[in-house]
Amino acid sequence: EAQVTQNPRYLITVTGKKLTVTCSQNMNHEYMSWYRQDPGLGLRQIYYSMNVEVTDKGDVPEGYKVSRKEKRNFPLILESPSPNQTSLYFCASSILAANNEQFFGPGTRLTVL
Amino acid sequence: QKEVEQNSGPLSVPEGAIASLNCTYSDRGSQSFFWYRQYSGKSPELIMSIYSNGDKEDGRFTAQLNKASQYVSLLIRDSQPSDSATYLCASEAQAGTALIFGKGTTLSVSS
Repeated sequence: EAQVTQNPRYLITVTGKKLTVTCSQNMNHEYMSWYRQDPGLGLRQIYYSMNVEVTDKGDVPEGYKVSRKEKRNFPLILESPSPNQTSLYFCASSILAANNEQFFGPGTRLTVL
Repeated sequence: QKEVEQNSGPLSVPEGAIASLNCTYSDRGSQSFFWYRQYSGKSPELIMSIYSNGDKEDGRFTAQLNKASQYVSLLIRDSQPSDSATYLCASEAQAGTALIFGKGTTLSVSS
C-alpha cells in the first residue's frame, strides 16, 4: 500500500530532551516536507526536501533540523524542544514538487512540558 | 508575507444543498491552486487542483479560479453529511518548493 508513515503518533516529552520524529514514504517520491498545524494558524511548512541531500527552510524552521540521506526517509529533529513546539506535525511527500499532489502522513501529536 | 485567506466558518448547509467555499491569495505569481479536505483528527487529502482560469469539475466538486481577482472557490453539489470536514485552500509558492495553506473553512452538512 502506498503510504507515508510517521512515528511516533503521540509523544509527551519535557523541555530540552532531544527527540526525532521519523517519516518514511514508499512511493519513490522526490519531494518531502514537514508541516506543523496549530489552532488558528493553520498548516505551516517547517522544512522541505526536493531530493536526497537537498533540504531547505520553510516558513517556521527555528528549533528544528532535518536530514535526507535516503529518498524514502525524512526525519524531523528537535534538538532542544520547548513548549512552543507543542503541535500536530505532518510529514508529506509528492512525486516531484510541492505543486504535485502531496500525500500526508497520519500526523504526530507532540506535547512538550 | 504571502498569504491565503479563507473564512473560518463554520459553514452550515443542509443535505443536498450546494456548499460554496472561497479563498483569496496574495501572490500574483502563483500558478497552481489546491483544495485539501481534512476530517477531524485526520491528515489532509487532496480533492481538487486547478491551474488555469475557469472551472474544473470532478464529480460533485467544481473548482473555480480567477487569477485577475486572485480568487479560488470550491463548490460541492448535493452536499452529504460525509462532506463535513475542514477544507484547506492552498497556493503554490516559490517555484514549486512550497504550498501556502489557508487556515481552513469548516463545513457542516446536516441531514
